[in-house]
Amino acid sequence: DAGITQSPRHKVTETGTPVTLRCHQTENHRYMYWYRQDPGHGLRLIHYSYGVKDTDKGEVSDGYSVSRSKTEDFLLTLESATSSQTSVYFCAISGGLEWPDTQYFGPGTRLTVL
Amino acid sequence: DAKTTQPNSMESNEEEPVHLPCNHSTISGTDYIHWYRQLPSQGPEYVIHGLTSNVNNRMASLAIAEDRKSSTLILHRATLRDAAVYYCIRSTGNQFYFGTGTSLTVIP
Repeated sequence: DAGITQSPRHKVTETGTPVTLRCHQTENHRYMYWYRQDPGHGLRLIHYSYGVKDTDKGEVSDGYSVSRSKTEDFLLTLESATSSQTSVYFCAISGGLEWPDTQYFGPGTRLTVL
Repeated sequence: DAKTTQPNSMESNEEEPVHLPCNHSTISGTDYIHWYRQLPSQGPEYVIHGLTSNVNNRMASLAIAEDRKSSTLILHRATLRDAAVYYCIRSTGNQFYFGTGTSLTVIP
């Protein structure tokens, strides 16, 4: 998985609780992304980062926030989890040195919100 | 991405060629077309990408229609290890817009 780890790999939580997912890379890539995968939708971009402290929204960003305080870590936070956020979450990275960029995906985190 | 459509599933016999279609009728002139595949319990992995011309690499070929409204991923000889969900993706800048994917079954 190109030096990408996600933690936790599985999580069950209750509605209304905060949740933070972590993506860690060892590739020193500039770009990092968070996607969610749901049946019938493929993967959809939540947020992405183009550098430390530089982030932008994707197509399904409502209810999510992100932070990137150092190159290797990109955090996704659900401030108050809802059942509609039950999904598999994938982190991806890309180097930003070629056009178009190839994205490399992590193994995923399965989140269940009860 | 509602603008990128793929068949839900396809089957192929082992060692036969496979043609996986994708329609992207609203693609803009600068959008690239990518194909990734996802094996069970893994993240997607890169297969191939192109802009206007047909492309070949060691994994597959990508045939892009002249009007760019459709493309076809070609696996020249399907193996059991090619069984996966194949995603057609439209990219604008660094943003990827995934289709819903085609689940490929390879029959021994």
